[in-house]
Amino acid sequence: AQKVTQAQTEISVVEKEDVTLDCVYETRDTTYYLFWYKQPPSGELVFLIRRNSFDEQNEISGRYSWNFQKSTSSFNFTITASQVVDSAVYFCALSEAGLGFKTIFGAGTRLFVKA
Amino acid sequence: DTAVSQTPKYLVTQMGNDKSIKCEQNLGHDTMYWYKQDSKKFLKIMFSYNNKELIINETVPNRFSPKSPDKAHLNLHINSLELGDSAVYFCASSQDRATDTQYFGPGTRLTVL
Repeated sequence: AQKVTQAQTEISVVEKEDVTLDCVYETRDTTYYLFWYKQPPSGELVFLIRRNSFDEQNEISGRYSWNFQKSTSSFNFTITASQVVDSAVYFCALSEAGLGFKTIFGAGTRLFVKA
Repeated sequence: DTAVSQTPKYLVTQMGNDKSIKCEQNLGHDTMYWYKQDSKKFLKIMFSYNNKELIINETVPNRFSPKSPDKAHLNLHINSLELGDSAVYFCASSQDRATDTQYFGPGTRLTVL
């Protein structure tokens, strides 16, 4: 069955610390896509990244980086030198080619960055 | 220009009432979705429409009825509202399947008293 686990419910860090948000997924499909979304206190859902199962290259975008490891079924997200504006709930999500139109979201990790 | 818009942003109503939430996307996408986010922030798919055709109905009570008059619009009508319907409802759209990136509307916070 399709499943996304974000084991960290809440993380609290001090500004400028690095922080990694974990995401572990389960799927039987060989073709699937992984996503990260950010939900700041204002409530909207902001797309961060989409990665397909055939591309295991890590990705860096400014202070954000993602580590995709199929061997451990993980797609972890690291924020370097965190800032107060990074405070949000972060969701990892999985979509399988076989399921067509369905995306499963993890429960989210709430990140607090203190000044 | 707002890519995915929803109205209203807030909805407060009494139990038993009927209400609608509207969603429009100007991205030219073929697929639209409704999600429910509960008080614990858990996001769950409710419905998915592809080219105005219902593709996913995730065991949602039949008090909830989506309607897609055209590819750019997906409305959600809720009959006989219950306390447990209180949540934030998000509309989203994607180019085609859910494996494409989904873009979300700002959400509608529904409070049932």
